[in-house]
Amino acid sequence: DAKTTQPPSMDCAEGRAANLPCNHSTISGNEYVYWYRQIHSQGPQYIIHGLKNNETNEMASLIITEDRKSSTLILPHATLRDTAVYYCIVRAVGTYKYIFGTGTRLKVLA
Amino acid sequence: GAVVSQHPSWVICKSGTSVKIECRSLDFQATTMFWYRQFPKQSLMLMATSNEGSKATYEQGVEKDKFLINHASLTLSTLTVTSAHPEDSSFYICSAAWDSSFNQPQHFGDGTRLSIL
Repeated sequence: DAKTTQPPSMDCAEGRAANLPCNHSTISGNEYVYWYRQIHSQGPQYIIHGLKNNETNEMASLIITEDRKSSTLILPHATLRDTAVYYCIVRAVGTYKYIFGTGTRLKVLA
Repeated sequence: GAVVSQHPSWVICKSGTSVKIECRSLDFQATTMFWYRQFPKQSLMLMATSNEGSKATYEQGVEKDKFLINHASLTLSTLTVTSAHPEDSSFYICSAAWDSSFNQPQHFGDGTRLSIL
């Protein structure tokens, strides 16, 4: 079973920030949260990952709540090319294995 | 960044033939590689995990004799779909991880679309 819960779809206006939420209430203390996106007919693209602290890179920011039961991926200025399915992933405990949920289908509107 | 190359990107073949898909890590040594399958409008499903030089570990319900996985080097893993049938048509994706900690992210190839006629 997937360890994460995400809304099935979201829309965002081009140029605005896209905030994608994820619930991972059963996460263990040493498990990271990973975010990927998949554009149609391509493999998932790594975006960012984090453990406790907020993280930022050239693609996005990751905000993790203090209790670590949820997180938000922020795309600061969404473009049409950000239209994709976004997956929030927590590994199976003690393994490399990713458990993919159903993800959020983000549509960026012109 | 870490690059994983998958080949071929698209293959069409007749029912009953075997198809080999290659997954290469181009700029790092992959201690572990993973194979996923994705049906239309569905999420990725893990098929198996392979470590270099050892037998692959298959997920429940995945036939190991049908989906042969070889991970002969730290940069190459192959998936062979044996005696493929139309129900094996799917999008197959590999990924690779490079260290023994569980923290580094997996990096994915661009997938292989397999169509069995």
